[in-house]
Amino acid sequence: DSGVTQTPKHLITATGQRVTLRCSPRSGDLSVYWYQQSLDQGLQFLIQYYNGEERAKGNILERFSAQQFPDLHSELNLSSLELGDSALYFCASSENPGQGSNEQFFGPGTRLTVL
Amino acid sequence: GESVGLHLPTLSVQEGDNSIINCAYSNSASDYFIWYKQESGKGPQFIIDIRSNMDKRQGQRVTVLLNKTVKHLSLQIAATQPGDSAVYFCAGGRGRGSTLGRLYFGRGTQLTVWP
Repeated sequence: DSGVTQTPKHLITATGQRVTLRCSPRSGDLSVYWYQQSLDQGLQFLIQYYNGEERAKGNILERFSAQQFPDLHSELNLSSLELGDSALYFCASSENPGQGSNEQFFGPGTRLTVL
Repeated sequence: GESVGLHLPTLSVQEGDNSIINCAYSNSASDYFIWYKQESGKGPQFIIDIRSNMDKRQGQRVTVLLNKTVKHLSLQIAATQPGDSAVYFCAGGRGRGSTLGRLYFGRGTQLTVWP
């Protein structure tokens, strides 16, 4: 158990819909990362937050957005869903990047299926 | 951009043998590299990391070798066990700058250990 929790575990929805994925980082970790894992693209970095502020953006679509709340949990919002958005979405957390360990602790993921 | 990829998509070994999983990267700007293990239905799990100023690092039953000249790293698993069966990812990251903390993942190698 990494200490990172994600809900829901599975999500099935239809095209055009909007969903919210939730992540709680490890206790004490200030950084949260979101990744998308699909069969043909591997693990792709989406976005990073540090202590409530966006720090880095990766290959995140404009239909997707995220935020980190004062209690450090994070939500990833996916809207106008398309079939191609079906994937595993992972959240990871770490201590302050650049200071100490580089390890990111991954949650169990949310499997999103868009029908 | 940064690209981290793996040479082989699958690797099958006999229990007790040593395994070697390879990874090549294109961008020499990474400050560190990490190997992750992902079992079916779970999130990636940290195995070992190595800083770019090192060429070898050993852990418990695992050794990572980094050859910056040819931009190649490998993960060696000694006395491979059935529990080692998983997908193994290499990832590169930077310890500074605008991409601090962001990981670039390769596509993964499926390791299968036969009894």
